[in-house]
Amino acid sequence: DAKTTQPTSMDCAEGRAANLPCNHSTISGNEYVYWYRQIHSQGPQYIIHGLKNNETNEMASLIITEDRKSSTLILPHATLRDTAVYYCIASSYNTDKLIFGTGTRLQVFP
Amino acid sequence: DTGVSQNPRHKITKRGQNVTFRCDPISEHNRLYWYRQTLGQGPEFLTYFQNEAQLEKSRLLSDRFSAERPKGSFSTLEIQRTEQGDSAMYLCASSLAAGVVSYEQYFGPGTRLTVT
Repeated sequence: DAKTTQPTSMDCAEGRAANLPCNHSTISGNEYVYWYRQIHSQGPQYIIHGLKNNETNEMASLIITEDRKSSTLILPHATLRDTAVYYCIASSYNTDKLIFGTGTRLQVFP
Repeated sequence: DTGVSQNPRHKITKRGQNVTFRCDPISEHNRLYWYRQTLGQGPEFLTYFQNEAQLEKSRLLSDRFSAERPKGSFSTLEIQRTEQGDSAMYLCASSLAAGVVSYEQYFGPGTRLTVT
């Protein structure tokens, strides 16, 4: 599975959009980009995934560059409850396991 | 609540004792995963089942660790002769696999193990 690179931490004001970047320059053609988050002392929570088209659901939007070497997770109106560690994972659709890095710690402040 | 459940939520044990954790996946999910997470790190894959068959084990899973999923429903993870280095959060996840395609994983709240 492709390795991903994320900033260690980011801050965002409540009500503003949080844009979390992820580099996955070695991603292969059959690998999807998955985003999970982990709120303190809880298990990871699935957010969204995509292959090459942009995706949107009730939680977030995922923007993937045309060359698929990077992506951005967008939380359109961040709230204090969005404070968490966000993990970007590149993995094939028939994956047996998820390979987590250390993620981005997002702090949403009032 | 129809999510993944894990018991116990916390376990404190003395070095050398055996411990067993239980995971109940989402009922229609046929794949079940175990991960371990230490402080400041992302979760690390340990093993996974499709129905009752254990299909992959990580090198992290020493021979003191054993996992079972006897009827393809709940799973147990046992650690024998615990060591202080086993102190971690143990996470269970489940997913629905159709053919070779596996969909997103849903995680339980974890069992925090402290070995003293």
